[in-house]
Amino acid sequence: EAGVAQSPRYKIIEKRQSVAFWCNPISGHATLYWYQQILGQGPKLLIQFQNNGVVDDSQLPKDRFSAERLKGVDSTLKIQPAKLEDSAVYLCASSFTSGGAGDAQYFGPGTRLTVL
Amino acid sequence: QQQVKQSPQSLIVQKGGISIINCAYENTAFDYFPWYQQFPGKGPALLIAIRPDVSEKKEGRFTISFNKSAKQFSLHIMDSQPGDSATYFCAATLLNFNKFYFGSGTKLNVKP
Repeated sequence: EAGVAQSPRYKIIEKRQSVAFWCNPISGHATLYWYQQILGQGPKLLIQFQNNGVVDDSQLPKDRFSAERLKGVDSTLKIQPAKLEDSAVYLCASSFTSGGAGDAQYFGPGTRLTVL
Repeated sequence: QQQVKQSPQSLIVQKGGISIINCAYENTAFDYFPWYQQFPGKGPALLIAIRPDVSEKKEGRFTISFNKSAKQFSLHIMDSQPGDSATYFCAATLLNFNKFYFGSGTKLNVKP
C-alpha cells in the first residue's frame, strides 16, 4: 500500500513570496490533515478535511494560509505572503475515518520550508 | 494552554538500557493516547497506543504505562538499541474526534 505522498520535499523562498505544497493521501482515506512542525516542537494541526469539507481550521492563520481538497482526494496548502516564522516542516497525514478515537493517522515525509 | 506536556526534551541511554519518556495531559475527555516515532527527514510513524481503560500495553520492547488518576502516561523502551535513536512524540485525542494534540517531543540517542 502506497503511503502519503508530499511534494516538494524542500522549498526555500524569500519572505513575502507565495508557496504551495501538495499532498496525496493513502487511497480510500477520507480524512486529511495538514500539520506545521516547527523545529524542536511537536506537530500542530492547521486544518482537517473530511472528504472535501473542512472539519477544523481553528489554528490556520487564514490571513495568509489557505487549503483546499479537490474532489476529496489530493490537497494543496498555500502560504501567501510568507513570513520568516513560517519556516517549518509541513506534514500531511491521512486516516480512514475521523469518526472515532483510535483511527490511526499516517504521515507523509513532509515539506521543509525555509523563508529567508 | 499546552494540552500535552512531554519530558525529557532529550535522553541519552546506553545500548541495552531502558528508555523512559513521560507525558502529562490536562483534558480528562482524552480517550486515546498514541506514541509516534520520527526519524530525521521522515514523517512521524505510529509506534504504540493505549486507551484509558487499561493501565499498561506492551508490544515487543515497547510498553505504555497509563495512570488515569494522575493524568500521566509514559513510554518504556526495554533493551534500547541504536536503531531506536529517533524523536518520540506522545499525543492525545478527544472523544469522538481525531484531532491529535502532540507533546513537544523527546530526542532519544542510544549509544552503542
